[in-house]
Amino acid sequence: DAKTTQPNSMESNEEEPVHLPCNHSTISGTDYIHWYRQLPSQGPEYVIHGLTSNVNNRMASLAIAEDRKSSTLILHRATLRDAAVYYCILRGQGGITGGGNKLTFGTGTQLKVEL
Amino acid sequence: DSGVTQTPKHLITATGQRVTLRCSPRSGDLSVYWYQQSLDQGLQFLIQYYNGEERAKGNILERFSAQQFPDLHSELNLSSLELGDSALYFCASSVVPMGYGYTFGSGTRLTVV
Repeated sequence: DAKTTQPNSMESNEEEPVHLPCNHSTISGTDYIHWYRQLPSQGPEYVIHGLTSNVNNRMASLAIAEDRKSSTLILHRATLRDAAVYYCILRGQGGITGGGNKLTFGTGTQLKVEL
Repeated sequence: DSGVTQTPKHLITATGQRVTLRCSPRSGDLSVYWYQQSLDQGLQFLIQYYNGEERAKGNILERFSAQQFPDLHSELNLSSLELGDSALYFCASSVVPMGYGYTFGSGTRLTVV
């Protein structure tokens, strides 16, 4: 699996935007970029994913570099409930049922949100 | 409620024992994935099933086994338990095709004493 690199931790103030970076220089042309987050004492939660174009949903935006070697998860207005570990994951295509379908989690970025 | 149900939520057992963790996937999802999360190892992929068949294996010990039943629920069996097996065990399910996200359950916290 291609590797991702994220900062160990980041801090933000409530109501401010947060930009969480991820480097994935060895990404292959067919790898999707997925973001998950894990709140304390909960299972990971899907946030957003993309392939080449920037993506927006109700939770966040995903900005993907033109060469796809990096991406940024953008939380437009951080709240205390956004304090979590954010994981950037590359998901290969091993067929819809194959092993490439699995998610390999790294250590993620611990986001702290302060009042 | 994510739609993925894991039971039990907590389990305390002694070394050498055997336990079974159960997972019911979200309605319509055919794939089930098991993950182990310990403090020093992070989230580790164990095994994947799709429609009853094993599809991928990760860092799963030989003492551990899993299966997916015709009704699509899955069970993870852990035997000859050791103190180091204490961890959170998560189940996730997904709908195909590729690109869709996983839905995780709230996990089973296993404590081996």
